Amino acid sequence: QLQLHESGPGLVKPSETLSLTCTVSGGSISSSNFYWGWIRQSPGKGLEWIGSIFNGATTDYNPSLKSRVTISLDTSKNQFSLKLTSVTAADTAVYFCTDYGSGVANLWGPGTLVTVSS
Amino acid sequence: SSELTQDPVVSVALGQTVRITCQGDSLRTFSATWYQQKPGQAPVLLIFAKNIRPSGIPDRFSGSSSGDTASLTITGAQAEDEADYYCNSRDSSATHWVFGGGTRLTVL
Repeated sequence: QLQLHESGPGLVKPSETLSLTCTVSGGSISSSNFYWGWIRQSPGKGLEWIGSIFNGATTDYNPSLKSRVTISLDTSKNQFSLKLTSVTAADTAVYFCTDYGSGVANLWGPGTLVTVSS
Repeated sequence: SSELTQDPVVSVALGQTVRITCQGDSLRTFSATWYQQKPGQAPVLLIFAKNIRPSGIPDRFSGSSSGDTASLTITGAQAEDEADYYCNSRDSSATHWVFGGGTRLTVL
């Protein structure tokens, strides 16, 4: 059974780039049937879709974040990643990696808290 | 503000039935997906494609839709159903995905 797990720095300085990696275990990330995506949750707040990647290279991003977000795959490592540039305190959140596709996320990583602070 | 509107707080007596709603223009066209989230945990997929439950989800959870409103019904609420519930669907322009603001369910 597929499992997901996020990793990356828990603290990022304002204006810098947030980089997270999701490691997929129990199966291949390069299956054409799979979508992969990122969702975040600010402390005490609701869920926000960040973006998704499917068919290996096609990306779809939340318009409110599109200018700052990149999601990519590394099939050699069975991982996908999130990069969010020019972060501010408003980007402080728990970041979840998922198999989010067509509005459905069946698999979730446990989430990782990223705090933006100097 | 979210394009999908949920009541922030709903309560239900143990064993009773409760309906959690999600309202938005996009729901006239697109189905809602429902997630349950307990404190400190990742969300869990409850319902997709209007009323399909993934394996392992109890059949007391069901989904429905009418007009611009999608509903999650819990028939015979249990203490372990106390959680936050989120709906998810397309935005009104059908260009991206949005979540409702979430409903905190209290089981009395």
